[in-house]
Amino acid sequence: QVTLSESGPALVKPTQTVTLTCTFSGFSVTTPGMCVSWIRQSPGKALEWLAHINWDDDKHYSTSLRTRLTISKDTSKNQVVLTMTNLDPVDTATYYCARVMIVPGTAPYNYYMDVWGKGTTVTVSS
Amino acid sequence: EIQMTQSPSSLSASVGDSVTITCRASQSVGNYLNWYQHKPGKAPKLLIYAASTLQSDVPSRFSGSGSRRDFTLTISSLQPEDFATYSCQQTYSMPFTFGPGTKVEIE
Repeated sequence: QVTLSESGPALVKPTQTVTLTCTFSGFSVTTPGMCVSWIRQSPGKALEWLAHINWDDDKHYSTSLRTRLTISKDTSKNQVVLTMTNLDPVDTATYYCARVMIVPGTAPYNYYMDVWGKGTTVTVSS
Repeated sequence: EIQMTQSPSSLSASVGDSVTITCRASQSVGNYLNWYQHKPGKAPKLLIYAASTLQSDVPSRFSGSGSRRDFTLTISSLQPEDFATYSCQQTYSMPFTFGPGTKVEIE
């Protein structure tokens, strides 16, 4: 059974840095074809994709947030970590991680997010 | 960056109704289009991937179609548990982008 669980601080002050951890089980992020993405949803807003890491450590970021985000993986702990710097109240959101799979035989890769964590809520306020 | 739009932004329907949600990409995404269902306080759920492939354990009343720029999600006979928000997502090119969502409410 594949599960993912997000963790991190619930309250962060403006300008601070937040580190969010996605701890997963049931798959390995070193297996070819396995990836993890981070997504967030601010109150009343749409889902917003943030960052993605592949099994081969290829990384991709949201265009608007790329200077503030870093994604990494710790394969020994089965974790993917997202760091976001210089937080602002508009970053208040529920942050999700999701396992990302690839449709076999596709080029470019046809990705889809098949299992999501329940999310962790981060509030940015002084 | 590929922009995604959805229509309608919300709709009201009754149990048993058939509903269709449309999603349009700002440029062709082939069939690199996924649909998700999400409810407040719960993890989003994958319904359809590659435009028309039903995810395992998703009821067959859900179906997806389309290619290139225009896609639809159809729920053939709405059930009480289907009242939720539905979002499309393109994965043709990074950054992945989601549509703004369509909220399906009880009439």
